Amino acid sequence: DIQMTQSPSSLSASAGDRVTISCRASQGISNYLAWFQQKPGKAPKSLIYAASSLQSGVPSKFSGSGSGTDFTLTISSLQPEDFATYYCQQYHTYPPTFGPGTKVDIK
Amino acid sequence: EVQLLESGGGLIQPGGSLRLSCAASGFTFSNYAMNWVRQAPGKGLEWVSTISGSGYSTYYADSVKGRCTISRDNSNNTLYLQMNSLRVEDTAVYYCAKDPSSNTAAFRFDPWGQGTLVTVSS
Repeated sequence: DIQMTQSPSSLSASAGDRVTISCRASQGISNYLAWFQQKPGKAPKSLIYAASSLQSGVPSKFSGSGSGTDFTLTISSLQPEDFATYYCQQYHTYPPTFGPGTKVDIK
Repeated sequence: EVQLLESGGGLIQPGGSLRLSCAASGFTFSNYAMNWVRQAPGKGLEWVSTISGSGYSTYYADSVKGRCTISRDNSNNTLYLQMNSLRVEDTAVYYCAKDPSSNTAAFRFDPWGQGTLVTVSS
């Protein structure tokens, strides 16, 4: 199975900060990568697919980049509603696998 | 608007069985593959199973293979997960999720239902 790692595992940031989360695959997955946001007690919400394509309705402050094994999710200006846990997921190779998550909380 | 509503979770003893359901609306159900993804308390996300739009192709995580069966009723727009020989480690919130792209398994998940909690404990 492809192992997905994320860094950092958690971070503290202030409203207005630019935040970057990294995701690494144990082998090349081209651009078959998705990002999800999950708030406490809620279902995950899809933000990005194909590494950099924004899901419909997702604000443009979210952006994704990368290909192969290294990927990045950037939030350009953190707002109170963005404090959540973020997961990456590869869908290049069966079985699909998720990263362990990055928790973004308030500094 | 796509809506997915899971049900069927609850408290079950180890070794028991449970059937989860996911009622879908807002899209042509048979045109899309469907998935189950779970999340143990305080833990990350784990893919469980996928079924193609026709129901002919199914896929399972090794952790549930042989104990779980995914199925669908396209006439009633409902997805199922039959879970047998349940273990304590199956305790989790189970989410159903639509594949946004096609009726074959692409292993993409969007959107998700609100989830149903399965607790396996004696």
